[in-house]
Amino acid sequence: NAGVTQTPKFQVLKTGQSMTLQCAQDMNHEYMSWYRQDPGMGLRLIHYSVGAGITDQGEVPNGYNVSRSTTEDFPLRLLSAAPSQTSVYFCASSYSSSLNTEAFFGQGTRLTVV
Amino acid sequence: AQKITQTQPGMFVQEKEAVTLDCTYDTSDQSYGLFWYKQPSSGEMIFLIYQGSYDEQNATEGRYSLNFQKARKSANLVISASQLGDSAMYFCAMREGTVQGAQKLVFGQGTRLTINP
Repeated sequence: NAGVTQTPKFQVLKTGQSMTLQCAQDMNHEYMSWYRQDPGMGLRLIHYSVGAGITDQGEVPNGYNVSRSTTEDFPLRLLSAAPSQTSVYFCASSYSSSLNTEAFFGQGTRLTVV
Repeated sequence: AQKITQTQPGMFVQEKEAVTLDCTYDTSDQSYGLFWYKQPSSGEMIFLIYQGSYDEQNATEGRYSLNFQKARKSANLVISASQLGDSAMYFCAMREGTVQGAQKLVFGQGTRLTINP
């Protein structure tokens, strides 16, 4: 199984450019989420989805958009990239919201905004 | 609001020694789950161990155990007989039992563990 697949693995953007980080999972998981990882701050939740057509904001949603048209895919859009969005981005999925459900993570996308 | 605190930015341990990574949490819910993840230098997040707030026994998974002290709100990870491959960043995380909280994992800042030969 591929699990959670993120593309691209690395990206450099200029300030003001837009782009979409792709995330796909093949485990038929209902729950998907996006995190950003910054040094000294751990992983912070950007947006999450509890199923196709349902999304909600996490801790740091500003500057990011998401949509969930299928169970498999959960893309993250940066509308106008800023240097503050330089980070490592992780997509995660889980099959339920039960307390003991582990999240499966993609390999991450390292984004640099110059 | 739920919060996870890892107070050790870095730890250095000799190979084969046991190591304890600290994690304290803050939540007003009685029902919650605690996780530890390992992030090696390659970057992926690897699930290690889980402890539920109502679990009476401390969780164990191979060389990993969780020292759960509910009254102190701490969930320390213990790695026995450390190996060079244990060198990585370790994250403590929590999921609350509320409808909203269950959708989210809240992470601590992480502890970078280095195992010396």
